[in-house]
Amino acid sequence: DTEVTQTPKHLVMGMTNKKSLKCEQHMGHRAMYWYKQKAKKPPELMFVYSYEKLSINESVPSRFSPECPNSSLLNLHLHALQPEDSALYLCASSQEWTNTGELFFGEGSRLTVL
Amino acid sequence: AQSVTQLDSHVSVSEGTPVLLRCNYSSSYSPSLFWYVQHPNKGLQLLLKYTSAATLVKGINGFEAEFKKSETSFHLTKPSAHMSDAAEYFCVVSDRTGRRALTFGSGTRLQVQP
Repeated sequence: DTEVTQTPKHLVMGMTNKKSLKCEQHMGHRAMYWYKQKAKKPPELMFVYSYEKLSINESVPSRFSPECPNSSLLNLHLHALQPEDSALYLCASSQEWTNTGELFFGEGSRLTVL
Repeated sequence: AQSVTQLDSHVSVSEGTPVLLRCNYSSSYSPSLFWYVQHPNKGLQLLLKYTSAATLVKGINGFEAEFKKSETSFHLTKPSAHMSDAAEYFCVVSDRTGRRALTFGSGTRLQVQP
């Protein structure tokens, strides 16, 4: 199994809603990542988890709250988002948090904030 | 500090003709370099990687890239384009030190004409 599975694929939410994005991998990878991608732009790193501990937070606003319940799961909790947060949110994993760059990406969750 | 420049935002080729996507990098240290591909509404997939072994790197789907240190380039090529190659391509650099974060280029959209 070489997949990273993200749910939901599409999400529409209002600015007062609370929702969560979920990511799962069963490759035994110990590093997991959240990226944000705006249209026609490259992905931007948001968070890195290594061995279930938050290792990088790229100064992401607190309305985005990551959680890593176990080595296979990664969540992104969303609250009080702004319309400019609308984007494709990509989850990725790698065997270790190294610089080899070999990331496995999910297909993303497309978020629209009204 | 590291950076990567993709010299063309858009490349259009005819099916069966060669593909050249250009990438220049800047890195303080010996870099690792990668090409990722993103098909519409999909996640990113690793095409190939350079990590200081052979300078000519072969990837999936007939793509290859050559690391040229003197030119600080890592151009992606394919002898014969296929319709299914139409996608966004990202050149990525990792300097193997420090924060172990990847730096993405701005992307090149490849269009393949029948």
